[in-house]
Amino acid sequence: QVQLLQSGAEVKRPGASVKVSCKASGYTFNDYYIHWVRQAPGQGLEYMGWINPNSGYTEFVQKFQGRVTLTRDTSISTAYMELTGVRSDDTAVYYCARHGYTWNLPFWGQGSLVTVSS
Amino acid sequence: EIVLTQSPGTLSLSPGERATLSCRASQSVTSSFFAWYQQKPGQAPRLLIYGASSRATGVPDRFSGSGSGTDFTLTISSLEPEDFAVYYCQQYGYSVLTFGGGTKVEI
Repeated sequence: QVQLLQSGAEVKRPGASVKVSCKASGYTFNDYYIHWVRQAPGQGLEYMGWINPNSGYTEFVQKFQGRVTLTRDTSISTAYMELTGVRSDDTAVYYCARHGYTWNLPFWGQGSLVTVSS
Repeated sequence: EIVLTQSPGTLSLSPGERATLSCRASQSVTSSFFAWYQQKPGQAPRLLIYGASSRATGVPDRFSGSGSGTDFTLTISSLEPEDFAVYYCQQYGYSVLTFGGGTKVEI
């Protein structure tokens, strides 16, 4: 069965960088895009961007251009999301999700809580 | 970027009642790329509907989706206790996804 296992919770100081990992299993990693979505406490879902694991090509919502880097290591079926210059309003649960056939997200990781606090 | 606006923000209903949730897009979206999700506290979202009207694997048939262009609807025909949750719409356009702000269905 498809599983996405994310890294654990992190606490970061303002201005630092954070890198969240998402290890995929149960399918061929290269065959499906990985998407990243975040959710601030008590708020809705905010889409960030996606990566094509096969080529490394990425697309981002404009808000995150220049601050977010999406990468992957195909040898270990793992995708990464790195956010730089974190601020208090970056405090959120960050989810990775696997692409479906028609631009939907049928499989999700368990989420990684990132807390930004001085 | 296409903006999705969901209404109402909160829907207060009783078990057994019908729920009708709306999602309006700022411009026409491709129905094939439109989806609905359910999220319960402390859990990741769950895909309910894709392609505007197709139920995802394991989703009960009391959930149905409809609509096209800029107006889409999620209907829960008869609410079960486990259906009280937050629902989000989502679309793909201009190379990225966007989500609506969510509708909370509460008892």
